[in-house]
Amino acid sequence: RKEVEQDPGPFNVPEGATVAFNCTYSNSASQSFFWYRQDCRKEPKLLMSVYSSGNEDGRFTAQLNRASQYISLLIRDSKLSDSATYLCVVNGLGNQGGKLIFGQGTELSVKP
Amino acid sequence: EPEVTQTPSHQVTQMGQEVILRCVPISNHLYFYWYRQILGQKVEFLVSFYNNEISEKSEIFDDQFSVERPDGSNFTLKIRSTKLEDSAMYFCASNRGYEQYFGPGTRLTVT
Repeated sequence: RKEVEQDPGPFNVPEGATVAFNCTYSNSASQSFFWYRQDCRKEPKLLMSVYSSGNEDGRFTAQLNRASQYISLLIRDSKLSDSATYLCVVNGLGNQGGKLIFGQGTELSVKP
Repeated sequence: EPEVTQTPSHQVTQMGQEVILRCVPISNHLYFYWYRQILGQKVEFLVSFYNNEISEKSEIFDDQFSVERPDGSNFTLKIRSTKLEDSAMYFCASNRGYEQYFGPGTRLTVT
């Protein structure tokens, strides 16, 4: 089983649509979870950390289900500028110096 | 807003040559990392560095690789004898808390 597994995509959606990305992780001891976005040939940029209680930042909502080892990201009212690859990322040890383990990414294309 | 910076943005080298990739982490950060991304593949961890020593390394990070923090600001990755399969984007990252911030990357092309 892959350490971090995401929907393969791509997701092609019209502007204004709601889109959801799913991710599962294999190490039940993982403690810290993140969503990053990556534009073509650019660096990963932190979108949001994911907390057990769920968290929201504007149009973006992240959820964590530790029992199912499942992480999700919901984007509401999608914009053209949301087109990117979304990376599900897990810190294996959960400590500040721990390595990040990346999923393969899910590509999102928002069309006019 | 402070950023991680990396130089050069693109490095072309011949197989067997040594390369040094440079990074300036965010100034008050304590943990430093190198990751790489081969074209079309996922981002992979190479090495983490804390308190002037390697804290963890992956199996990719073999004897051909080394890291150094030669002064208070720079963090370097050296590849001693490059191979074709070392061609990739190399990202430096740093953090103080739990969230890691990435530099813009160095595209390494080995011919």
